[in-house]
Amino acid sequence: GAGVSQSPSNKVTEKGKDVELRCDPISGHTALYWYRQSLGQGLEFLIYFQGNSAPDKSGLPSDRFSAERTGGSVSTLTIQRTQQEDSAVYLCASSRTGGVGPDTQYFGPGTRLTVL
Amino acid sequence: DQQVKQNSPSLSVQEGRISILNCDYTNSMFDYFLWYKKYPAEGPTFLISISSIKDKNEDGRFTVFLNKSAKHLSLHIVPSQPGDSAVYFCAASGSTGANSKLTFGKGITLSVRP
Repeated sequence: GAGVSQSPSNKVTEKGKDVELRCDPISGHTALYWYRQSLGQGLEFLIYFQGNSAPDKSGLPSDRFSAERTGGSVSTLTIQRTQQEDSAVYLCASSRTGGVGPDTQYFGPGTRLTVL
Repeated sequence: DQQVKQNSPSLSVQEGRISILNCDYTNSMFDYFLWYKKYPAEGPTFLISISSIKDKNEDGRFTVFLNKSAKHLSLHIVPSQPGDSAVYFCAASGSTGANSKLTFGKGITLSVRP
């Protein structure tokens, strides 16, 4: 079946502009995660959605970052007033129920964000 | 404060030989440890995992070893193949819910020479 898809694949924006990144998880997966990978760094957790529960926003680096998940499926990550340090690859992952073991997280290809 | 550390940025091995990728962690509360493989311009793909109650898990050419007392795990690839050339991320997590979020190391670039 279809995997996790993300759009756009690349986004170049000017400092101070807002951007929206989209993630379509695997159909039927109730858990959705956002991570980002900055240059030379590992993947850094941003936010976690599980079903209709309140999201875990503990990884969001500032209040300029927000995310929502509509209808328990598609998610958008919004970065307001972008800064150069926001430049990174933003990765979305989904899993069936949010556990580990059999509930492997499947990653999308990522959105490469460049803030000029 | 890095909870998962991959101290070697790169490794080069000859095709057919063993590749050993190392990972250290500091948080003794992690329940699962995972290895992900990443090719350029693609998202990470799950490779193999191990529960904290085990010390070894094997899947074909891939074996992960866990030494809880040393807070150390390693991925062995035998025999290594050129197609294994990629970035390998070590990751750790709790069990369920919000604890299922993955904490990643910085990755190691493996090059397998033909």
